[in-house]
Amino acid sequence: DAKTTQPPSMDCAEGRAANLPCNHSTISGNEYVYWYRQIHSQGPQYIIHGLKNNETNEMASLIITEDRKSSTLILPHATLRDTAVYYCIVGRRGNKLVFGAGTILRVKS
Amino acid sequence: GAVVSQHPSWVICKSGTSVKIECRSLDFQATTMFWYRQFPKQSLMLMATSNEGSKATYEQGVEKDKFLINHASLTLSTLTVTSAHPEDSSFYICSALTGDRGYEQYFGPGTRLTVT
Repeated sequence: DAKTTQPPSMDCAEGRAANLPCNHSTISGNEYVYWYRQIHSQGPQYIIHGLKNNETNEMASLIITEDRKSSTLILPHATLRDTAVYYCIVGRRGNKLVFGAGTILRVKS
Repeated sequence: GAVVSQHPSWVICKSGTSVKIECRSLDFQATTMFWYRQFPKQSLMLMATSNEGSKATYEQGVEKDKFLINHASLTLSTLTVTSAHPEDSSFYICSALTGDRGYEQYFGPGTRLTVT
């Protein structure tokens, strides 16, 4: 599975959009980009996933570059409850997920 | 939808005893479940892949005789930590694959194991 690179931490003001980047330059054609988040002492929560088109759901938007080598998760209006570790994972659908270190997002009032 | 539960949420056991952790998919059938372990301030580490009706596949370095996995039905997988030791103290998390809903993985809330 392709590896991902994420910044170790980011801060965001409450009410503003949080843009979390992820590099996955070795992604292969049949690998999806998945985003999960983990709030302290809880199991990871699924956010969104995509193959090559941009995706949006009630939680977030996922923007994937045309060459698929990077992506950005966008939380449109961050709240304090969005403070968590965000994981960008690349893998084939239905396969195991390999977690990296993720990005610690701190939303501040 | 796509809810996964774990039981117990936390457990304390004495060194040398065995502990069983259950993982259930509540509103879907999961032919595949995964077990992860997470130490403090670290990321999740995949331990094994559990397929209904067959033997689990363990990741390199995970002792299959110590971490027994049973996936006896489409909604239940169990992880038994045998002869637990303090170094097995960790946060154990399962996930289930929603085969009929797009093959996404949904995670349980985790089980905190403390071995004294």
